[in-house]
This record gives sequence, C-alpha cells and structure tokens, in this order.
Amino acid sequence: SAVISQKPSRDICQRGTSLTIQCQVDSQVTMMFWYRQQPGQSLTLIATANQGSEATYESGFVIDKFPISRPNLTFSTLTVSNMSPEDSSIYLCSAPGGMARETQYFGPGTRLLVL
Amino acid sequence: GENVEQHPSTLSVQEGDSAVIKCTYSDSASNYFPWYKQELGKRPQLIIDIRSNVGEKKDQRIAVTLNKTAKHFSLHITETQPEDSAVYFCAASYGGATNKLIFGTGTLLAVQP
Repeated sequence: SAVISQKPSRDICQRGTSLTIQCQVDSQVTMMFWYRQQPGQSLTLIATANQGSEATYESGFVIDKFPISRPNLTFSTLTVSNMSPEDSSIYLCSAPGGMARETQYFGPGTRLLVL
Repeated sequence: GENVEQHPSTLSVQEGDSAVIKCTYSDSASNYFPWYKQELGKRPQLIIDIRSNVGEKKDQRIAVTLNKTAKHFSLHITETQPEDSAVYFCAASYGGATNKLIFGTGTLLAVQP
C-alpha cells in the first residue's frame, strides 16, 4: 500500500486569499491525483499531477484556479486560488499502490472553510 | 468520458442482514472497479476491488460481482454489523498506475443493532 500524508489537515480562510495544500507519498509514483469532496457528496477528480509535466485538469477545473506543482516523484501541491465560500470542501490527494499499482490510496484530506 | 451511477443513495438494514449496493458504468473500456468505505471524517479506504477479467471476488463477508456485458457491478455485504455503517463509493477506471478513478455518488449504509 501507499502511505500518504497531507498538510494542513484543516484551515479557515478569508475569501480572496489562496491556500496551498501539500501531499507527501512514502514511495515514488508517476501519477498523483487531486480530488474535491464537497459536504455530503462524492469525490470529484480535479486533476492528475504528472512529475515533469503540467497537470491534466478535468472538465470544470482550470489551472488558474487550482495550480498544481509536482517537483518530484513523492510530493505534490494543490493551490486553491482567490477563494470564495463555494470552495469550502475537503481536498484529498491520492496515489497508486499495491502490486499492480492500480489501487488508489488516499491522504487524510484537508478540510477547507472559506468565510 | 466515464460516468458511474450508484444505487441506492441510502440503505438501512438490521444487524445480521445482507446489504447490496449496485453501480453501472458507461465506458466499456473501463477495466478496474474498486469499492471504498468512508467513515465520517475519515479518508476513503479500499475494501475490495475487481478487474474486468474476473466475474466475482470475495473477501470474508464482502463480495463484488461484475457483469461486463451489462456494465454493472455490485457490492455484497453479508452478516452486517454496526461497524459496517459508513458511506460506500464505487469507482471505475481504465486501469494501470496512470489511471484516474471516476466515483459513483455514494451509498450511506446504516446497520441497525
């Protein structure tokens, strides 16, 4: 399996500001993924973070709003920019693990509240 | 792209009964189907998965079945216990380490003691 940590675990932010979330994996992985989980909802993929290239964003998510960095094979950051109350959510990163590397393991999530 | 539907959205069973959650997917190219359990305030945890070359997989009280022709797969939990109460998510992907997961909408399972 993969052990994944995230920082911060939670934050309360003012609208118009930005927050950067860090994700650390205990092994080298090609891809890391960022998801958003709004209260009481399912997980929605924001983007796939590739090491050495730009992230690939899903429909409805843009780089200006959610810039992603992937400086090495064990680390990624997601920034939520120019926040509004609608950005209040849980943000989770995931990475593959297991023998076939198909299984996705999740970080503990970052609970964001925007006032 | 892939779309995953999940039913029911809520399910209440008595302790000891069985629970079944069903998902359908749209893209026949999907070949990997995991199920996650998410307890309140915690991260999703993988409980079982199945690949498209297998029709059924079982792990103790949990089983998953896959019907590729109909493009649906189901989670079966037998002899439910109160600690099974959680939100369950199905997902589908094209497989491999570079795959991305598309999640179903989730099922809130409540096991009444």
